[in-house]
Amino acid sequence: EAQVTQNPRYLITVTGKKLTVTCSQNMNHEYMSWYRQDPGLGLRQIYYSMNVEVTDKGDVPEGYKVSRKEKRNFPLILESPSPNQTSLYFCASSLSGTSGVSSYNEQFFGPGTRLTVL
Amino acid sequence: DAKTTQPPSMDCAEGRAANLPCNHSTISGNEYVYWYRQIHSQGPQYIIHGLKNNETNEMASLIITEDRKSSTLILPHATLRDTAVYYCIVRVRFRSNYQLIWGAGTKLIIKP
Repeated sequence: EAQVTQNPRYLITVTGKKLTVTCSQNMNHEYMSWYRQDPGLGLRQIYYSMNVEVTDKGDVPEGYKVSRKEKRNFPLILESPSPNQTSLYFCASSLSGTSGVSSYNEQFFGPGTRLTVL
Repeated sequence: DAKTTQPPSMDCAEGRAANLPCNHSTISGNEYVYWYRQIHSQGPQYIIHGLKNNETNEMASLIITEDRKSSTLILPHATLRDTAVYYCIVRVRFRSNYQLIWGAGTKLIIKP
């Protein structure tokens, strides 16, 4: 089954304790992205990756790191989490990130990771 | 900043067509309009997208006005499972890529 998986689904941690949220897709997609969603708001992009070893900042990258060593995996790293990073996090992937002026590929989203930083 | 404006909530009777409006008056000529929905707090699900012409797929229809300043998503025969938050999104150019600008969405409640 084609899917995007995230782990863990729920995480409660304390300020300053490094954590990693994993994301994996089995669709051979080039493009992957991380978003956060806060109550009553739409999604905001944290980081994205156009392909292996190619990553770039989104709208809200502060306090986050990513890596793309393999095509299927795109982990999100919080080196020193703070309470303002308490949020619902989504990983997404699509076939490619750009198609010139024409259509942008449909993004497939993971089930989400609910993170609480105390 | 979000480039779209949607009503915060709407109701629709089961079996009827659900028409969800979206205003995107500042949209540029090559910026696409996308619709996604999110059921509870699950990962968003793609519905449809378009640029100028009306579009239809197995899930919905997208009607874009001629001036492209607004659009309407139509779910032709709404079911209880269509209860979700629907996001009207504009795709903008962002560095060497494109980015979806998400607003707050419309909470659609389908009533029996």
